[in-house]
Amino acid sequence: EAQVTQNPRYLITVTGKKLTVTCSQNMNHEYMSWYRQDPGLGLRQIYYSMNVEVTDKGDVPEGYKVSRKEKRNFPLILESPSPNQTSLYFCASSLSGADEQYFGPGTRLTVT
Amino acid sequence: GENVEQHPSTLSVQEGDSAVIKCTYSDSASNYFPWYKQELGKRPQLIIDIRSNVGEKKDQRIAVTLNKTAKHFSLHITETQPEDSAVYFCAASIGGSYIPTFGRGTSLIVHP
Repeated sequence: EAQVTQNPRYLITVTGKKLTVTCSQNMNHEYMSWYRQDPGLGLRQIYYSMNVEVTDKGDVPEGYKVSRKEKRNFPLILESPSPNQTSLYFCASSLSGADEQYFGPGTRLTVT
Repeated sequence: GENVEQHPSTLSVQEGDSAVIKCTYSDSASNYFPWYKQELGKRPQLIIDIRSNVGEKKDQRIAVTLNKTAKHFSLHITETQPEDSAVYFCAASIGGSYIPTFGRGTSLIVHP
C-alpha cells in the first residue's frame, strides 16, 4: 500500500529537549516536505527536499532542521524545542512540486 | 515567494446549496493549483487540481476555475451534502521545483 508514515503521532515534551519526528514514504517520490498546521494559519512550509542531500527552507524554517540521506526518509529535528513550536506537523511526499502531495497522518507536538 | 489568500474562512450552507471558495495568488509564474480537503482529525487529501493551460476542470459535483490574468482560482461544489463538511485548502505552485504554498483554509459546514 502506497503511504507516508510519521512517528510519533503524539508527543509531549519540555522546552529544550531535542526531538526527532520521522517521516517515511514507499512511493519512490523525489519530493518530501514538512508543514506545520496552526488554527487560522493553514499549512505552512517548514522545509522541503527535492532529492537526496538536497534540502531547502520553506516559509517558517527557524528552529527546525532536516536531513535527506535516503530517498524514502525525511526526519524533522527540533534541537531545542520551544512552546511556540507546539503544533500539528505533517510530512508529505510527491513526484514533483507540481503533483499531488501525499500527506502523512500528522504528529501532534506539545512543548511545555 | 508565493502568497496565497483564501476566502471565506468559514462558509455555512444548507444541504443541496452550492458552495464557492476563492483564492488569489501573487506570483504570475505559478502554474499548478491543487485543492485539498481535510476532514476533522485527518490528513489533507487532494480532491481536484488544475494547471495553467486549462481554464476549468470538473469532477462530478466539484469544479475548479482559473483566471490567470486576474491571478485567482475558485472551487465550486454543487448539491452540497453533509459529508462535504471539512476544511478546504487551496494551493499554488511555481512549477515543479517548488512545493505548493497553501491558503489558510475554509471551514465548510453543510447543514442537513
